[in-house]
Amino acid sequence: QKEVEQNSGPLSVPEGAIASLNCTYSDRGSQSFFWYRQYSGKSPELIMSIYSNGDKEDGRFTAQLNKASQYVSLLIRDSQPSDSATYLCAVNKDYGQNFVFGPGTRLSVLP
Amino acid sequence: DAGITQSPRYKITETGRQVTLMCHQTWSHSYMFWYRQDLGHGLRLIYYSAAADITDKGEVPDGYVVSRSKTENFPLTLESATRSQTSVYFCASTSGGTPYNEQFFGPGTRLTVL
Repeated sequence: QKEVEQNSGPLSVPEGAIASLNCTYSDRGSQSFFWYRQYSGKSPELIMSIYSNGDKEDGRFTAQLNKASQYVSLLIRDSQPSDSATYLCAVNKDYGQNFVFGPGTRLSVLP
Repeated sequence: DAGITQSPRYKITETGRQVTLMCHQTWSHSYMFWYRQDLGHGLRLIYYSAAADITDKGEVPDGYVVSRSKTENFPLTLESATRSQTSVYFCASTSGGTPYNEQFFGPGTRLTVL
């Protein structure tokens, strides 16, 4: 079992719809969780971070964390074509600053 | 310019040659990282450094060497490049100290080994 798993995608949604991206992790001791967006040919950039169970909202983005189920998700409301990118889930396992990244889910928002 | 920079952005080399990829950050972050990104494998950690003169191996360290004599610089050297090292290499940094700090990424270096 991989440490961090994501839907392989690609995920296609129509413009204006809600895109739901999922991530599961294997280490129950994981402390913090991050969603990065990566456009083709570019470097990853942080969208959201979440540390406690529940929801965290930032504009059109909502991160959800359920530590009991070892599950973290990212919802993108009112999806726009500019949201088309690969979304990487990252998990920080301990205080050593070592992130483990999932393989990414490619999202395509269709106009 | 402030932030994290990498050089060169693109590099083509031949099998067996030594190649050094440079990474420089202006935030005085304690932690720096080198990743490679390949289709089907996502981001994989090569080496990381917690401070100047402190480095440690990541998931895929074979064939790579790092050093960190100054906090702001973290060069990655491929001692004898192989075709399997063709990849996109990202440098990242974080201030550290807690598990809650994000990593910031450089723009990447696309390396092709012929």
